Amino acid sequence: NAGVTQTPKFQVLKTGQSMTLQCAQDMNHEYMSWYRQDPGMGLRLIHYSVGAGITDQGEVPNGYNVSRSTTEDFPLRLLSAAPSQTSVYFCASSPDRIHYGYTFGSGTRLTVV
Amino acid sequence: SQQGEEDPQALSIQEGENATMNCSYKTSINNLQWYRQNSGRGLVHLILIRSNEREKHSGRLRVTLDTSKKSSSLLITASRAADTASYFCATSAAGGTSYGKLTFGQGTILTVHP
Repeated sequence: NAGVTQTPKFQVLKTGQSMTLQCAQDMNHEYMSWYRQDPGMGLRLIHYSVGAGITDQGEVPNGYNVSRSTTEDFPLRLLSAAPSQTSVYFCASSPDRIHYGYTFGSGTRLTVV
Repeated sequence: SQQGEEDPQALSIQEGENATMNCSYKTSINNLQWYRQNSGRGLVHLILIRSNEREKHSGRLRVTLDTSKKSSSLLITASRAADTASYFCATSAAGGTSYGKLTFGQGTILTVHP
């Protein structure tokens, strides 16, 4: 039981490049979310999903796309990387939104130069 | 904007002392959760309290929730050096377009000195 797996752990991108941050969970959780964590800002919600085929925007969705074709996977796509997207990105999943907390991945540290 | 505001931003105590962290929020919630983050690591879920609960315990953790004041507190009793970490409160929104979204505060940095 691996929990929530994020890849890669570290990434350096040049401005304008695109990439996909991978997130996979093996707990059959319906709810998945992407957060970014910046110093002094706490965690901010980028996008979330309440099940396969259903996604919605969080607080800071601009510059990011998501899709949820399977229960297990919830990739985050950076369309055209900008230095302002330098951050640590966390993926999280939960069985539901009322009774259980979220299980977090170990994060992807992204630097855009 | 952040839903939760945490207080204090940083807390430094000696091993064996109790640590209390507070969280205030703005909108109606389904539940409030507390997480711990060790430096450079992912967040770990500690405890969840539902909006119809007032107090909850888990080991050395005690959480209270006052929905009339839109506030919560986390008490860690008999703290240990291993409790050194950042602690975040997070609220699950109750209704409207934000239903179920989990929003985090900025966290409290707890340092426990041996």
